[in-house]
Amino acid sequence: QPVLTQPPSSSASPGESARLTCTLPSDINVGSYNIYWYQQKPGSPPRYLLNYYSDSDKGQGSGVPSRFSGSKDASANTGILLISGLQSEDEADYYCMIWPSNALGVFGGGTKLTVL
Amino acid sequence: QVQLVQSGAEVKKPGSSVKVSCKASGGTFSSYAISWVRQAPGQGLEWMGGFIPIFGTANYAQKFQGRVTITADESTTTAYMELSSLRSEDTAMYYCARGYSSGLTGTIDFWGQGTLVTVSS
Repeated sequence: QPVLTQPPSSSASPGESARLTCTLPSDINVGSYNIYWYQQKPGSPPRYLLNYYSDSDKGQGSGVPSRFSGSKDASANTGILLISGLQSEDEADYYCMIWPSNALGVFGGGTKLTVL
Repeated sequence: QVQLVQSGAEVKKPGSSVKVSCKASGGTFSSYAISWVRQAPGQGLEWMGGFIPIFGTANYAQKFQGRVTITADESTTTAYMELSSLRSEDTAMYYCARGYSSGLTGTIDFWGQGTLVTVSS
C-alpha cells in the first residue's frame, strides 16, 4: 500500500493561513485520486473536513467553514489543505487519506498544527 | 441520526485475541460499508480494513492480513473486528467508522467513540 507523507508539524499565527501538504509516492499520480482530509482533536475521533479531486469535484463536510479548502500541486504530486484566517480552535492534528485500488484505505502520518 | 456505539475497553494478554463490536443505528445498515481504524498512543491513524454488507465481504490492509477478521451481523446492525495474536504494539484505540458509500471508498462521516485495547502481560 502507498505511503502518504505529511510533515509532522506546522505552525502559524491567528489570522494567518496554514498550508498542509500530503505527498503521494512517485508511482501514483495525485491527479488520479480524491484526497480526503480529517481533523482530530485530543480525546476525540477524527472529523471529516473535505475532499478534493478537482475544482469541479470536491466536497465539504457538514458544518465545516469555507476557510478550509483543498487543492493539488501536480508538479509536487501533493494534495493540499489550506486553512485561511486561522483560529485557535483550528489547533489539531490533520490527516490526509486516499482510497487506492482494491477498496483499501491509506492515511498519511498526520500533521500537528499549532496556532501560535 | 447515524450513531456508532462501540464496546468497552479491553485488557488482553500477549498472544490472545480481542473482538470489538460496533452497534450502528440510523440509516440502513446493509447499505453502507464500515471501516476499522486504529490509533496507537501518540501516533497517527491506521486503516485496518472494512466490511461491505451488500457483498458480505471484507478487505484488509496488507499489514493485518491473516490477523484481523471483520464481520457484520445485519440482524443486530453490529459490526465486529477481531484481532488475533496480540502483541504490545497492538495497544491502541480502535474506531469503527462509515460514510455514505456502499463500498470501501468515499468520505468517512461517522465515527464510533473508540475502544481502547491494552495488550499487557
